[in-house]
Amino acid sequence: EPEVTQTPSHQVTQMGQEVILRCVPISNHLYFYWYRQILGQKVEFLVSFYNNEISEKSEIFDDQFSVERPDGSNFTLKIRSTKLEDSAMYFCASSREGNGNQPQHFGDGTRLSIL
Amino acid sequence: GENVEQHPSTLSVQEGDSAVIKCTYSDSASNYFPWYKQELGKGPQLIIDIRSNVGEKKDQRIAVTLNKTAKHFSLHITETQPEDSAVYFCAGGYQKVTFGTGTKLQVIP
Repeated sequence: EPEVTQTPSHQVTQMGQEVILRCVPISNHLYFYWYRQILGQKVEFLVSFYNNEISEKSEIFDDQFSVERPDGSNFTLKIRSTKLEDSAMYFCASSREGNGNQPQHFGDGTRLSIL
Repeated sequence: GENVEQHPSTLSVQEGDSAVIKCTYSDSASNYFPWYKQELGKGPQLIIDIRSNVGEKKDQRIAVTLNKTAKHFSLHITETQPEDSAVYFCAGGYQKVTFGTGTKLQVIP
């Protein structure tokens, strides 16, 4: 069964440094998402992306965050200047359609640790 | 925006018993309610979903019910097995989904 893959599984970065998290969504999916999960807490929506544009973003997704689909397969989340509170699991998800009532399939996440 | 509340936060059941997790939502426009299972070190895995035009849906040992009037929905797992132990998240929304706070289910052999 096709799946969403994320790399790296664990990223350790110094505070203030830039970090890029990578995702390969399911190949025939058109909508892509990033979520964040702080340890022991719920999954929080960051951003959705379709047709090379952000379709929706949350309050968490401020100017330090950006997303990009640099080629036909990868979907990236960049944090420009990391802060301690950015430490969390980051999950990428994709769905075939994006009208809000289609299943989103998640990757296994990247654990981001900011030192 | 949508607000999804989930109860209980932890649930322990004996193997073979049933488990019920309940969620409420605030936005009457929400029309899609997925349930996710998250095992340790893994991403959320979709286990079942229900749309607002349906009141109940069943898939083997798992069933979901939706009460649109009361704005609540529930997950029912029957004949629980140790491998059902995980954190379960409900979610709801219209254009995007909002997750509940999660329920840690422990099935005791």
